[in-house]
Amino acid sequence: NAGVTQTPKFQVLKTGQSMTLQCAQDMNHEYMSWYRQDPGMGLRLIHYSVGAGITDQGEVPNGYNVSRSTTEDFPLRLLSAAPSQTSVYFCASSSSRGYEKLFFGSGTQLSVL
Amino acid sequence: QKEVEQDPGPLSVPEGAIVSLNCTYSNSAFQYFMWYRQYSRKGPELLMYTYSSGNKEDGRFTAQVDKSSKYISLFIRDSQPSDSATYLCAMSGYNQGGKLIFGQGTELSVKP
Repeated sequence: NAGVTQTPKFQVLKTGQSMTLQCAQDMNHEYMSWYRQDPGMGLRLIHYSVGAGITDQGEVPNGYNVSRSTTEDFPLRLLSAAPSQTSVYFCASSSSRGYEKLFFGSGTQLSVL
Repeated sequence: QKEVEQDPGPLSVPEGAIVSLNCTYSNSAFQYFMWYRQYSRKGPELLMYTYSSGNKEDGRFTAQVDKSSKYISLFIRDSQPSDSATYLCAMSGYNQGGKLIFGQGTELSVKP
């Protein structure tokens, strides 16, 4: 059982470049979310989705875009990378019958130079 | 002020010690309280989950919630080197659709 799969695991970008972080889950979970983790800041919510076609902003959405065309996939797009977006990104999913119990992917470590 | 405050540590204890990890929060709407454990270079994993006030025990782990004081705790008895990890508290209100608010995380090291 794969759970939540994130790709890539590591990425280096130059300022201004764009890229997409991929996230897929095979648990048929309705809810999916993206968090970033920075030293001393814990996990902060970027965007989340309660189902296909439905997304909303979290605490730190600026500079990121999401869409949810299927239940399984929830990609995160960086439109024009900035050094402040250097972070570790985690995708998570949960069921509507236990939406507080998040299942996390293994993370993407992103560096923006 | 952050909605959830957690002492980032680091915390270092000898094997066999009792560990106490704590978080305070300001939002009285929080109803679900979780502790996640995160090993180095891994994603967080749910360790304990409590609804509203009270205690919950699972093996060597006990979670306590005091809503009147807006204070939650995680106790680890007979700590083991394998407990060395970062512990994150997390909270959510009703119908928040997977939107959790996390504390900063406490880095714990258990020395043999």
